[in-house]
Amino acid sequence: EDQVTQSPEALRLQEGESSSLNCSYTVSGLRGLFWYRQDPGKGPEFLFTLYSAGEEKEKERLKATLTKKESFLHITAPKPEDSATYLCAVGGWNSGYALNFGKGTSLLVTP
Amino acid sequence: DGGITQSPKYLFRKEGQNVTLSCEQNLNHDAMYWYRQDPGQGLRLIYYSQIVNDFQKGDIAEGYSVSREKKESFPLTVTSAQKNPTAFYLCASSPGTSGTLFHLETQYFGPGTRLLVL
Repeated sequence: EDQVTQSPEALRLQEGESSSLNCSYTVSGLRGLFWYRQDPGKGPEFLFTLYSAGEEKEKERLKATLTKKESFLHITAPKPEDSATYLCAVGGWNSGYALNFGKGTSLLVTP
Repeated sequence: DGGITQSPKYLFRKEGQNVTLSCEQNLNHDAMYWYRQDPGQGLRLIYYSQIVNDFQKGDIAEGYSVSREKKESFPLTVTSAQKNPTAFYLCASSPGTSGTLFHLETQYFGPGTRLLVL
């Protein structure tokens, strides 16, 4: 069975303090790993899709990387507006069109 | 603006009542999905549809029903058989044309409907 584990559950950073969020996964043949940002009471907002180990994607202060066992979301010099819950999801050969989501990492960036 | 709309934003259900959540998209996407989000848990797939007039059960379909009569619309009915319906319901869509055997498409989400039981 596909599994996704995100760590830490919660992270508090000071503005400008860079860090990384982790998404560990086990899947029978990765068909995609997806990062989303979710603000309280809203739907997830798409950030990145990664398909192959070694692949990297960047957007503003965020950079996503992928290995065969995990993905990292690196946040460089975060700002308070980066505060949100970050969700990781994977899809594998056995899951059809379904995505298997982790529980998320809640990020708080203080001024 | 293209996007996914869900209505209502909040919905209250009485015991024994069926309620329907609306999901509409104008992205010209073929595929649509319904997820449920509970506190402290990951999103879980309820139903999905890859094409009009066809849909498949997800991991937690019991107590729910859907229809897909139009490409733009994928309503979800929460029936009285669903004993624990209180949750945040999210609709998503994907193009349905760019996925391959090896690559899943990105799913894009609507704003969600919060269902509460009276």
